[in-house]
Amino acid sequence: QSVLTQPPSASGTPGQRVTISCSGSGSNIGNNYVYWYQQLPGTAPKLLIYRTNQRPSGVPDRFSGSKSGTSASLAISGLRSEDEADYYCAAWDDSLNGHVLFGGGTKLTVL
Amino acid sequence: QITLKESGPTLVKPTQTLTLTCTFSGFSLSTNGVGVGWIRQPPGKALEWLALIYWDDDKRYSPSLKSRLTITKDTSKNQVVLTMTNMDPVDTATYYCARRGTLYCSSTSCFDHWGQGTQVTVSS
Repeated sequence: QSVLTQPPSASGTPGQRVTISCSGSGSNIGNNYVYWYQQLPGTAPKLLIYRTNQRPSGVPDRFSGSKSGTSASLAISGLRSEDEADYYCAAWDDSLNGHVLFGGGTKLTVL
Repeated sequence: QITLKESGPTLVKPTQTLTLTCTFSGFSLSTNGVGVGWIRQPPGKALEWLALIYWDDDKRYSPSLKSRLTITKDTSKNQVVLTMTNMDPVDTATYYCARRGTLYCSSTSCFDHWGQGTQVTVSS
């Protein structure tokens, strides 16, 4: 069971805005950057958001990240069929000499 | 162009030791701030971080698997090796290696380039 909690599924229709949450604690999200990864079916994950709210070069500005306290969110606006994928949040956790945590993942379905 | 590729056995027996090699190109593991990590994903399940080694040989491990894992690097060969002892069927997963770069990454939880993954099945 992941310490970073994500909803197992989310859905939306093309053009809609969807939000995926990632809930943690003070030792991880509350005190560190959050990273988001997109995993298209059958492929390796791809860095989608870094340092909580920054987009790597090439990632559309339809994707945005934010954080409030011990929770983070990924928002996707103008939903497209190619956004159908699994999304994972990740953060460093300061406990137990420090380690990386991934969320349980959210499967996004574009209806 | 940055690439990473995992290699190793596709099938191991319970109690055996798994040795996986990540061979990379397009960057150097002697560059300040760079690291290479291992992440696994059981079939249909979530990503799980295993370990990471930094350019200065600093090593970090998952607390729950630390006793079974060893990560090493060979900078001259551009390789990182992960060994996992006492393999069990629950360790069946796709194993990825990934780079912790410096342009986007301010944390060990940041991986900006990933290998394609290698499937490992644990079965007698």
